[in-house]
Amino acid sequence: DTGVSQNPRHKITKRGQNVTFRCDPISEHNRLYWYRQTLGQGPEFLTYFQNEAQLEKSRLLSDRFSAERPKGSFSTLEIQRTEQGDSAMYLCASSGGTDYQPQHFGDGTRLSIL
Amino acid sequence: DQQVKQNSPSLSVQEGRISILNCDYTNSMFDYFLWYKKYPAEGPTFLISISSIKDKNEDGRFTVFLNKSAKHLSLHIVPSQPGDSAVYFCAATDSGGYQKVTFGTGTKLQVIP
Repeated sequence: DTGVSQNPRHKITKRGQNVTFRCDPISEHNRLYWYRQTLGQGPEFLTYFQNEAQLEKSRLLSDRFSAERPKGSFSTLEIQRTEQGDSAMYLCASSGGTDYQPQHFGDGTRLSIL
Repeated sequence: DQQVKQNSPSLSVQEGRISILNCDYTNSMFDYFLWYKKYPAEGPTFLISISSIKDKNEDGRFTVFLNKSAKHLSLHIVPSQPGDSAVYFCAATDSGGYQKVTFGTGTKLQVIP
């Protein structure tokens, strides 16, 4: 069990630029989740995949955000035309095939918008 | 609106004593409740969970109590150890499983040696 891996760990970019984060889940996990965490808050659900299918998206996921999981393995989260308010920790989690398996989190990608 | 509330941002406890972390929720459709622990620069780690049909679940030093009528749950850690110092998140789900999880704002626990 190598855990959930997220890259990069930190990303600093200028407002208006596009950024992409990658998440590699635990290999046998078919469910993958993205969360956003801002200072003083808990993680907020963004979206969820089962295999390659994106099953749910939060209203927090504006049209500037897109997530993919092309082959049901790793996932990418892209933010286009970044804004100051996008500065946050982006967390990825994965879980096994049944409904009651707890989610295992990666260490996150911290995004800072200049 | 904050559906899961942790009203105590921080808590300090002496080593060996009991730590009690509290959580309130507003959504009566929540059917599973979870606690996660988070160390600095790491992602949250699952600790313990409880179904809404139970009122207590125990795992070693950790016990979670659920009071559905009060929409309140608590995490007890006995005895507290310095390694328990972390941020604890209360979380809940109403999706019939653990898929879409709603987190509270966290309580920072400091266990003093």
